[in-house]
Amino acid sequence: AQSVTQLDSHVSVSEGTPVLLRCNYSSSYSPSLFWYVQHPNKGLQLLLKYTSAATLVKGINGFEAEFKKSETSFHLTKPSAHMSDAAEYFCVVTPFSGGYNKLIFGAGTRLAVHP
Amino acid sequence: EAEVAQSPRYKITEKSQAVAFWCDPISGHATLYWYRQILGQGPELLVQFQDESVVDDSQLPKDRFSAERLKGVDSTLKIQPAELGDSAMYLCASSLQSDEQFFGPGTRLTVL
Repeated sequence: AQSVTQLDSHVSVSEGTPVLLRCNYSSSYSPSLFWYVQHPNKGLQLLLKYTSAATLVKGINGFEAEFKKSETSFHLTKPSAHMSDAAEYFCVVTPFSGGYNKLIFGAGTRLAVHP
Repeated sequence: EAEVAQSPRYKITEKSQAVAFWCDPISGHATLYWYRQILGQGPELLVQFQDESVVDDSQLPKDRFSAERLKGVDSTLKIQPAELGDSAMYLCASSLQSDEQFFGPGTRLTVL
């Protein structure tokens, strides 16, 4: 079975400091992995995706994530947080490499950014 | 920019009543998904349509939930009767086949 565990339910950073949101996955197959962001009163938006190509994936708004098979991790990072980054972030796995199909979401990490 | 539309955005109902949610996917998207997101959790797939056919409803509580996409375009999700535990955000998403899923803003349901 496939699953994701987001290790922090809440993360708080100061504006201009680095962001690290942690995600571990479990999959019987070579998975595809994603990060989605959810701002209040808005739909979920895809930040980035890993589909068995380069292990370091760059996404929108300066975010990136590194797929580490040995650690079964897919942590999301950003060098410098902006106030507009405050939102809920979801790590997502799908069991089919290269495709989207059924998405399995983690519980989410709420990111707060302080001035 | 094309978006997935959902209505209503908010719905308050009493338990045992019937409720319905509507979703209009991005034009041309053959695949439509309904998710339920309980507060503090990630979304969970309820049902997936390919055109007008259901391809996955394994997590849909069929005793009270129903979903249809009669013409393969817009879709309706119904709950009858609603229970307190159904309070959640109901999200609709659409995609071109198994491509990236685009999500609507959701309908927040409160059952009293």
